[in-house]
Amino acid sequence: QLQLQESGPGLVKSSETLSLTCTVSGDSVTRSGYYWGWVRQSPGKGLEWIASISYNGHTFQNPSLKTPVTISLDTSQNQISLKLRSVTAADTSVYYCSKINILSVVHNWFDPWGQGTLVTVSS
Amino acid sequence: QSALTQPASVSGSPGQSITISCTGSISNVGTYKYVSWYQQHPGKAPKLLIYEVNNRPSGISDRFSGSKSGNTASLTISGVQPEDEADYYCGSYSSISLVLFGGGTKLTVL
Repeated sequence: QLQLQESGPGLVKSSETLSLTCTVSGDSVTRSGYYWGWVRQSPGKGLEWIASISYNGHTFQNPSLKTPVTISLDTSQNQISLKLRSVTAADTSVYYCSKINILSVVHNWFDPWGQGTLVTVSS
Repeated sequence: QSALTQPASVSGSPGQSITISCTGSISNVGTYKYVSWYQQHPGKAPKLLIYEVNNRPSGISDRFSGSKSGNTASLTISGVQPEDEADYYCGSYSSISLVLFGGGTKLTVL
């Protein structure tokens, strides 16, 4: 059974870089046709897609995001990483990773999801 | 691109049917069948309920169903039960931003 587990620093200072990791168990992040992504949820707010990456490293990013992001695969650890640079208080959120069903560039559904990790940006 | 529009809240008594709407535009819901719905209980991760407008993943109750008309998608819960009390989110492929989610709807079971 595919399972995802996020990990992060919990607290990060404004203007610094936030680094998050999603560890996948039950399958390989490089299995052909698989896509992975990150979604965040600000306290009491809705969901916001951040970025996605394919099994072979092709990336997609939300064009509406103001924060520079980098998504990557760590195949040796079977992980998906996300870095957000120059974070602000607006980046305070629960961050979820998920497997995404994608057809070409069409992002379809997100399933399953990790349990999420809360990141607070302090000034 | 703005989020998809959902009502902030809906409510229903046990056994009733409720419908949650999700309104977008021709660049997302109105043109594509790639609409999904998620259930989120407090403190938990979202859970996929419906994909591609009206398909249920294995293990999801047939009390949950989806539909679409024009720029609006809908989630219907037939025979609402107390355990259905949760937040519900729609999602759609967007030709502009690839992914859009709705703002979420809180379902209260009276």
